[in-house]
Amino acid sequence: DAKTTQPPSMDCAEGRAANLPCNHSTISGNEYVYWYRQIHSQGPQYIIHGLKNNETNEMASLIITEDRKSSTLILPHATLRDTAVYYCIDRRSGNTGKLIFGQGTTLQVKP
Amino acid sequence: NAGVMQNPRHLVRRRGQEARLRCSPVKGHSHVYWYRQLPEEGLKFMVYLQKENIIDESGMPKERFSAEFPKEGPSILRIQQVVRGDSAAYFCASSVGQETQYFGPGTRLLVL
Repeated sequence: DAKTTQPPSMDCAEGRAANLPCNHSTISGNEYVYWYRQIHSQGPQYIIHGLKNNETNEMASLIITEDRKSSTLILPHATLRDTAVYYCIDRRSGNTGKLIFGQGTTLQVKP
Repeated sequence: NAGVMQNPRHLVRRRGQEARLRCSPVKGHSHVYWYRQLPEEGLKFMVYLQKENIIDESGMPKERFSAEFPKEGPSILRIQQVVRGDSAAYFCASSVGQETQYFGPGTRLLVL
């Protein structure tokens, strides 16, 4: 079973920032937080990951709380093409590699 | 750079036939993972392979399913004697070591 919890759905207005929360209260010190998204049954797309520092790339920003028990994925200017299911996954470095997907958050970006 | 490639993208089989799904990882990636997504359900891990070795098959059904990743060529997920419950999207992902996994577009299997 997934060890993260996310709200099942969220709405966001086009052009506004989308902030997607994730709780990972049982995360251990060597586990990374990974974010993927799946657009309409396409293959999951990697977005970003982090350990304890905030991270930013061309797609999104990841804010991890100091106690590492929760994080927020930020899409700074959401577009209609960002409508997707977003998955937050904690993954231990050096484990067998499998990703355990939960139900994710369905983000609907509205015009 | 080419990403993960999967073929066929769509596969239709009748009950009892065999299904072979192929996955070509990103060039330079030697780790391959297979996941399955049943209709209206989440993604479930099936198997993790390195070249010529199965590392973790804890998600594979006990019967009819097998996977390989030969020294040369793509990884193959093989389903023998397919049943309707095997209808699903099968996704392959690859990585360098145990780093970030990158997914392919998937194969949609429909069993009639």
